Amino acid sequence: GAGVSQTPSNKVTEKGKYVELRCDPISGHTALYWYRQSLGQGPEFLIYFQGTGAADDSGLPNDRFFAVRPEGSVSTLKIQRTERGDSAVYLCASSLTPTIGYSGYTFGSGTRLTVV
Amino acid sequence: DAKTTQPTSMDCAEGRAANLPCNHSTISGNEYVYWYRQIHSQGPQYIIHGLKNNETNEMASLIITEDRKSSTLILPHATLRDTAVYYCIVRVNSGNTPLVFGKGTRLSVIA
Repeated sequence: GAGVSQTPSNKVTEKGKYVELRCDPISGHTALYWYRQSLGQGPEFLIYFQGTGAADDSGLPNDRFFAVRPEGSVSTLKIQRTERGDSAVYLCASSLTPTIGYSGYTFGSGTRLTVV
Repeated sequence: DAKTTQPTSMDCAEGRAANLPCNHSTISGNEYVYWYRQIHSQGPQYIIHGLKNNETNEMASLIITEDRKSSTLILPHATLRDTAVYYCIVRVNSGNTPLVFGKGTRLSVIA
């Protein structure tokens, strides 16, 4: 597609429930990133995929958070046993993997998760 | 943690140049300066990046001091649509090292 697509755009869930957030990157972009943004803060890095594998998952806050990218395209961020503190906008970005130089990230518009 | 310091907020009159400063006194020799902006309810958008030479594109100009410890993003003729949070980020330019965002500067362009 023309841009990075994230679904749903909004998600309200009850505390303790499981949620999945989906990201469709730009076709051909091999790198995919997940960020989380709380109100008034900059985006916080969660995990980065290069192809199908997680190249860096150091930002995942705990083992309730997990992400997959089985075919190297679409990615799903999964949150188990949601807590009210998980409420935030979850942003996905994708980029080319250049051999030289830098390729800017293209971000989606995010999924606003509210845990009640 | 972010390696940059930016003012929390700035105002700019429509049609005037917006000059957004950024301090990055601990920048390493192989780190570039990147600028992104985030308009309300959207994801961040890439603006420009540079190493040590001044850079210009269709969106903005980037002026980096000779010692590379600070830089300024210049929007030459700010419009209301430039109202956004502007993030200054330092990052090595290799592979796909994740961007680390700080809190940025909230720029308000006023009619």
